[in-house]
Amino acid sequence: DAKTTQPTSMDCAEGRAANLPCNHSTISGNEYVYWYRQIHSQGPQYIIHGLKNNETNEMASLIITEDRKSSTLILPHATLRDTAVYYCIHSVYNQGGKLIFGQGTELSVKP
Amino acid sequence: DVKVTQSSRYLVKRTGEKVFLECVQDMDHENMFWYRQDPGLGLRLIYFSYDVKMKEKGDIPEGYSVSREKKERFSLILESASTNQTSMYLCAASSGGDTDTQYFGPGTRLTVL
Repeated sequence: DAKTTQPTSMDCAEGRAANLPCNHSTISGNEYVYWYRQIHSQGPQYIIHGLKNNETNEMASLIITEDRKSSTLILPHATLRDTAVYYCIHSVYNQGGKLIFGQGTELSVKP
Repeated sequence: DVKVTQSSRYLVKRTGEKVFLECVQDMDHENMFWYRQDPGLGLRLIYFSYDVKMKEKGDIPEGYSVSREKKERFSLILESASTNQTSMYLCAASSGGDTDTQYFGPGTRLTVL
């Protein structure tokens, strides 16, 4: 099974950058790294994905190491609404892309 | 963005009942998925479907079946509900391909008494 390793929990001050690390040492060459988050009692929400290059969108930035064995999700200015569980995933490529969710990181943004 | 809707946010059923959980997506996506989520166990894949009338078992298919008669609708069926099927059920849809972003519905919290 495709597995990732993330810290169980992290705190971040409101307005500061939140940097969430992930190890995915078993990732293969054609697999993308995906990040999702899940706010309490809601379905997971897609944030960003990448293959080799760093990526940025309106929600976050994704930094992937050159060997692709780890990545960091950056929320540049965390708000209280960013409090959620963040999942780092790499996709087992098959038509349809089965995603295997780990335990994720519980991010608490504090005032 | 894809919109994925699920028929109920909360559902309470009795042991032995047949339960239908419905999921509808509005973006003509090929792939649909059913997960369940339990504390300490994360999200686990029950079944998925690549196309109409196609289905594939996920990691925990026992006690469940699915139906996909139309592209936009993917139903999860509990033939005879049991208390260990009390859980949050999440449906997702994706377009497929190399970058396969999945879009999730809000979830159905099922309680089996």
